[in-house]
Amino acid sequence: DIQMTQSPSSLSASVGDRVTITCRASQSVDRFLNWFQQEPGKAPKLLIYEASILQTGVPSRFSGSASGTYFTLTITNLQPEDFSTYYCQQASTTPYTFGQGTSLEIK
Amino acid sequence: QIQLQQSGPGLVRPSQSLSLTCAISGDSVSSSLASWNWIRQSPSRGLEWLAKTYYRSKWFFDYAPSLRGRITINPDTSRNHFSLVLNSVTPEDTAVYYCVRLSGNGVLDYWGQGTLVTVSS
Repeated sequence: DIQMTQSPSSLSASVGDRVTITCRASQSVDRFLNWFQQEPGKAPKLLIYEASILQTGVPSRFSGSASGTYFTLTITNLQPEDFSTYYCQQASTTPYTFGQGTSLEIK
Repeated sequence: QIQLQQSGPGLVRPSQSLSLTCAISGDSVSSSLASWNWIRQSPSRGLEWLAKTYYRSKWFFDYAPSLRGRITINPDTSRNHFSLVLNSVTPEDTAVYYCVRLSGNGVLDYWGQGTLVTVSS
């Protein structure tokens, strides 16, 4: 199985800040890396697919990038609704695997 | 608009079988582009992909190696839904279970509402 190592596991920030979450794959996943946001009690919501493509309707303050097996999710100008939990997921091969999650909290 | 509606019991006894169904609207279980997946989430295991099925002139099935032998995913074209059966459950199978569509470009884009299944006597 491809292991996805996500960091940090938690992060405190303020409204208006810029934050970055990283995800490292244990082997190549090409650009088949997706990012999700999950609010308590709800299903994950797709934010970015193929490492850097913004899903329709997702604000442009979210962006993704890739370098080899390293992937980043960046959120600029944090808004109150962005304080949530984020997951990366590789879609290269089954079993599809997820990072452990990053909880983004208000400082 | 694509929607996935899950149904099934929230409590299963240990050693029994867990059975969930996902009804699809706005797409077809026989789609030549999409595939249909089950994913679960628990505090101890995080998000875990379980199984998928898809139709490409014939039906294909793919399962998580850790569950192979205990799990079955079944498409039902007459009802446009798909189901999950997990046999011989233990408390470690307690989780929120989601049905999810995987789009033609490999993206988990539509999710069911989730079903909390508790394995307990």
